[in-house]
Formats: sequence, structure tokens, C-alpha cells
Amino acid sequence: QVQLVQSGGGQVKPGGSLRLSCAASGFIFSDYYMSWIRQAPGKGLEWLSFISTSSAHTNYADAVKGRFTISRDDADNSLYLQMDSLRPEDTAVYYCARGGGSWFDFDYWGQGTLVTVSS
Amino acid sequence: DIQMTQSPSSLSASVGDRVTITCRASQSFFSHLNWYQQKPGKPPKLLIDAVYSLKSGVPSRFSGGMSGTDFTLTISNLQPEDFAVYYCQQSYMTPPTFGQGTKVEIK
Repeated sequence: QVQLVQSGGGQVKPGGSLRLSCAASGFIFSDYYMSWIRQAPGKGLEWLSFISTSSAHTNYADAVKGRFTISRDDADNSLYLQMDSLRPEDTAVYYCARGGGSWFDFDYWGQGTLVTVSS
Repeated sequence: DIQMTQSPSSLSASVGDRVTITCRASQSFFSHLNWYQQKPGKPPKLLIDAVYSLKSGVPSRFSGGMSGTDFTLTISNLQPEDFAVYYCQQSYMTPPTFGQGTKVEIK
């Protein structure tokens, strides 16, 4: 069955960095676009970034452009989000998600990982 | 960016009720509209994609509709497991955007 298992996250000081990982199994990872989406405490869902197949294309939300970098390793069936220059407003649960029928039909999600940016 | 406005932000209903959630888009697009259900502490679950298409395993009491730039999610015969937060999302263009959510609570 399709699984997305996330790791990384935790607490970091403002200006710090973190790297999130998302290990995929149960499907041909290299065939799918992948995205990162976050949810601030008690708030709604905010798409952050996508990466296409073969890493040919990436795109970012304005809120994280220039600070976050999405990448993938198809040999290892893994998705990553490198987060630099973190701010308190980046505090959220971060999800990886598979783009199903279209790039942005998020049909499978990771379990989520909490990132807390606080001094 | 396409803004997605959901209403109501919350509603109270009883088991067996029929409820409808509306999502209005700030601009017209085709049928690239999805609905998700989220329960506390869990990731969202895709219920319906392309406005009307129920995902595998989703009960038939869930249905989607559309009229112009207004989209609806209807739950008929509300069940205890349906109490959750529901989000609409447009998948038409980058960035994909979500509505602010509708919390369905037990009356």
C-alpha cells in the first residue's frame, strides 16, 4: 500500500535550519509529482512547494521562496525539504503529499511533522 | 492567486442530517476542484476530486456539485465518523489554494 513516512522536524531558533524527509513506498515514486504542505496550529492548509518528475521543475509559494528548497532522490524513493532562515511564522505541521491524477490532486499524505521556530 | 472562500466556517448538525458546504472561487476555472476531510491529529484525506469524482472507499453519502464558480460538498445522512473539518482546494493553477475550512460539529 502507498505510504509516505516523514522524519525530521523539531524545535529550532529563528534564523536556523532544518531538513525534512519523506520516505515513499508502495508506488513508483519517480512517476509522481510531490509537494510539501503545511498547517499552522489551529489554522488551514498552505501549499509550499512542488517538484516534478525527474526534478525537472520546482515551484514555491511566495512565503518560502528563497528560503526553502525542495528536492527528491528517486533512487532512494525520498523527498526532502531544506528549510533555511526559519521564522516564528514557519511554526506548523509539515506534510509531504503525492500529486495523484493531476499535479495538485493530493491523494496520499505523510503523517505530518511538527516544526517549531522559537527562541 | 485563486482565492477559495468556504462557507460556513462551522456548522452544528445531528446524526442523520444532510449538510452542504459551499466553496466559492475568485475566478472561473474548469473542474479542478477537490474536497478533503481532516480529523484531529491526522493528515487530510482526499474525498472527491474533479468536482464530482468520489475517491475509492469514500461512502456514497458524500457528493460534490458545481454551479459557475460555486462548488458544493454535500453529506447526506451524516454519520458520527463524518464530524471533522472539510477543505476545498483548487488544482487548476499554481499555487494550489485551499479554502479556510469548515468544521462540522455534533449538535
